[in-house]
Amino acid sequence: KAGVTQTPRYLIKTRGQQVTLSCSPISGHRSVSWYQQTPGQGLQFLFEYFSETQRNKGNFPGRFSGRQFSNSRSEMNVSTLELGDSALYLCASSAGRGPMNTEAFFGQGTRLTVV
Amino acid sequence: SQQGEEDPQALSIQEGENATMNCSYKTSINNLQWYRQNSGRGLVHLILIRSNEREKHSGRLRVTLDTSKKSSSLLITASRAADTASYFCATDNQAGTALIFGKGTTLSVSS
Repeated sequence: KAGVTQTPRYLIKTRGQQVTLSCSPISGHRSVSWYQQTPGQGLQFLFEYFSETQRNKGNFPGRFSGRQFSNSRSEMNVSTLELGDSALYLCASSAGRGPMNTEAFFGQGTRLTVV
Repeated sequence: SQQGEEDPQALSIQEGENATMNCSYKTSINNLQWYRQNSGRGLVHLILIRSNEREKHSGRLRVTLDTSKKSSSLLITASRAADTASYFCATDNQAGTALIFGKGTTLSVSS
């Protein structure tokens, strides 16, 4: 069974640009969550999607957005990039109704560097 | 916001020794999970313990949960160099739709 796939693995962008990250969950998983990891703030929840609906959003500005497609693949977008957006972005998929009742499977992450 | 807080922040031990990490959280939970992360890579699920369970084992891992103290501990017995990683506890938000992570414990096991 293929794991969670995130693309691209590494990305360098300039301040003010926008970026789109992609996540393909494990087949059959309908819950997809996104997390931002930085040395200072640790792992912070961005948003969670289930069957194309955003069920929850973390405390991030509106520049961070996401969506989920009918095949459960998800994308997140960050517009008007700031230096502080440099981070490891992790995607996780879960079976069942969501990430807390069963284990979450994480991708390897996308390392975003904003210069 | 951070729900769980791991303690200690860093732990260095020798191979063969046991490693104990603690996690405290603030609000009531449905379940608590532990994850491992190797050097800036994805997280790997270790164990899930439900709020009505007190102890759970998986191989060399033993997790306890004390809901009255809002705390959990992860014990790794007979540590190996390959156990070197960061360990995170994760609790849930009210809706069960998000994992809320602590800042983690960095474990270093030397041979």
